[in-house]
Amino acid sequence: DTGVSQNPRHKITKRGQNVTFRCDPISEHNRLYWYRQTLGQGPEFLTYFQNEAQLEKSRLLSDRFSAERPKGSFSTLEIQRTEQGDSAMYLCASSGEDGRSGYTFGSGTRLTVV
Amino acid sequence: AQSVTQLDSHVSVSEGTPVLLRCNYSSSYSPSLFWYVQHPNKGLQLLLKYTSAATLVKGINGFEAEFKKSETSFHLTKPSAHMSDAAEYFCVVSLRGYGGSQGNLIFGKGTKLSVKP
Repeated sequence: DTGVSQNPRHKITKRGQNVTFRCDPISEHNRLYWYRQTLGQGPEFLTYFQNEAQLEKSRLLSDRFSAERPKGSFSTLEIQRTEQGDSAMYLCASSGEDGRSGYTFGSGTRLTVV
Repeated sequence: AQSVTQLDSHVSVSEGTPVLLRCNYSSSYSPSLFWYVQHPNKGLQLLLKYTSAATLVKGINGFEAEFKKSETSFHLTKPSAHMSDAAEYFCVVSLRGYGGSQGNLIFGKGTKLSVKP
């Protein structure tokens, strides 16, 4: 297992376009998390899944954002009608049942909306 | 409400001198606390974690942190800085068990550590 994998690493898109990111967690981890990190700030929680169930969504996750984890393995995060304010690093993490042991993060997808 | 405050946005030390990165937390529950490091253009790496066992926690690369409940602090230290330690460090509290929230982490704003030759 090579850890948490995120694709693409970088994405540049025009305002108004839709984008989709993918995250492949550590195979034995049943929890998967999405975070967003803007320049000079710490990561902020967006949403998380336990297996295929989306158990929590942050208020940061507007109606333009949707996340799925259809088979309890990989996850996708889609942003519709992108805005310049969506420009950020999108981080994915996974953990076992007991998140108290810490999360393993991927390298992130850097989104730039022009 | 749970929160974490990193008291310094930027710390600069000379190579070979001690490192101290300060963190205070606020939690109504017995917290789980973590320190993560982020090198430029790389993902977050777990340095160490406190989960209600020993209050002095040893992590990777010679870092350690001490949980002090009376001071609500979880400062990160290293006896001797290396050039490779230059990075951004995040203090993190877990919300597990609070208000039904099962999984999310609250990050501090980060402390950028610079190491001078």
